[in-house]
Amino acid sequence: QAVLTQPSSLSASHGASASLTCTLRSGMNVGTYRIYWYQQKSGSPPHYLLTYKSDSDKQQGSGVPSRFSGSKDASANAGILLISGLQSEDEADYYCMIWHSGAWVFGGGTKLTVL
Amino acid sequence: EVQLVESGGGLVKPGGSLRLSCAASGFTFTSYSMNWVRQSPGKGLEWVSSISSNIGYIYYADSVKGRFTISRDNAENSLYLQMNSLRAEDTALYYCARGDFDYWGQGTLVTVSS
Repeated sequence: QAVLTQPSSLSASHGASASLTCTLRSGMNVGTYRIYWYQQKSGSPPHYLLTYKSDSDKQQGSGVPSRFSGSKDASANAGILLISGLQSEDEADYYCMIWHSGAWVFGGGTKLTVL
Repeated sequence: EVQLVESGGGLVKPGGSLRLSCAASGFTFTSYSMNWVRQSPGKGLEWVSSISSNIGYIYYADSVKGRFTISRDNAENSLYLQMNSLRAEDTALYYCARGDFDYWGQGTLVTVSS
């Protein structure tokens, strides 16, 4: 089982909200991890969006709009990237990342399509 | 403005070696750890290696341990990745990234093929 699991794809309508999940492997506790989120558009390097551990321990990337926000769902053992007011420019691949057992680990990425 | 510019990629035969460089500017290089991340064509991101600001800590992914060596020259604001015993599965775009991966370069392409 992978350390981080992301759905391979997600579609949402223009103007709506999209919730991208990053599920930690069974036995890991999402509450103890700082989760990093990145956006990668086709042909470009990844772009840092935000980091979320808790409401008191979070950081927004420089210039990243507030409609990108992070949270956690402890019951699902998952980190969440919420994008509100979806725009066509949000169509991209999104990756989560954590530091685990002496290594940085990326999720497999979610391809977000804005309809 | 933070800038990270990778170089040194190219075509190399299996078993061969390459040395990647990353020139950093626009920030105090000595204050940040640095990282290498790769992305195979059409695939996701894979962390490769990280080095702390004072070179006190170095980490490698299991997939490259024993073959790749990360280093940095704080006087030259440069990060390096020496890649030996290259395999076809090392073919990827190699990015350098600052600190908590908050800034990334454009990447340099490494192709391992006979």
